[in-house]
Amino acid sequence: GESVGLHLPTLSVQEGDNSIINCAYSNSASDYFIWYKQESGKGPQFIIDIRSNMDKRQGQRVTVLLNKTVKHLSLQIAATQPGDSAVYFCAENIGETSGSRLTFGEGTQLTVNP
Amino acid sequence: DGGITQSPKYLFRKEGQNVTLSCEQNLNHDAMYWYRQDPGQGLRLIYYSQIVNDFQKGDIAEGYSVSREKKESFPLTVTSAQKNPTAYYLCASSPGWAWQETQYFGPGTRLLVL
Repeated sequence: GESVGLHLPTLSVQEGDNSIINCAYSNSASDYFIWYKQESGKGPQFIIDIRSNMDKRQGQRVTVLLNKTVKHLSLQIAATQPGDSAVYFCAENIGETSGSRLTFGEGTQLTVNP
Repeated sequence: DGGITQSPKYLFRKEGQNVTLSCEQNLNHDAMYWYRQDPGQGLRLIYYSQIVNDFQKGDIAEGYSVSREKKESFPLTVTSAQKNPTAYYLCASSPGWAWQETQYFGPGTRLLVL
């Protein structure tokens, strides 16, 4: 039989290290991107967003980088803490005709080891 | 407190039974959304509503129905036609249906079939 999406990409880091979570998108028309954090048993929580006219945006301990040439998005978390352990999703908005509709990636499980 | 509430947290459905999941927001948002999340996968859009008294099918609407009679409420009914209803259901809202609007999520309802 076929198993679909049962295993999330995972990233394991030591407390205090920097984390980099990557996301590839396929639609060159995508022009707005959001990173969400989802803790176990909770709904996704907004972390940071970036528009396609920017390459980089910084928040508190987080930085999002956008490379439109290779359609790649990354989330950098500085000085990772145990409370950062969660699944991280990227989401994209595919142009003005889509309104506020978002398409989500499969997510990355971040585990922070004390 | 402003936010999105979903109830119940856990819901059990018997074979052939319809069940309704509640979603309420007090953010004065125009747009609301329902997503389904399966283990190890990203979020898939079931239905969305751009404004009160209006709604459209998302990517996986079969076996589901919604209503939007009030701005603050967007209930989802999982009908007996949905053959694989076990999943985590997430409701979200955004200020409007404008391009590049951020969506905010509720805590989710986990539906299990007995």
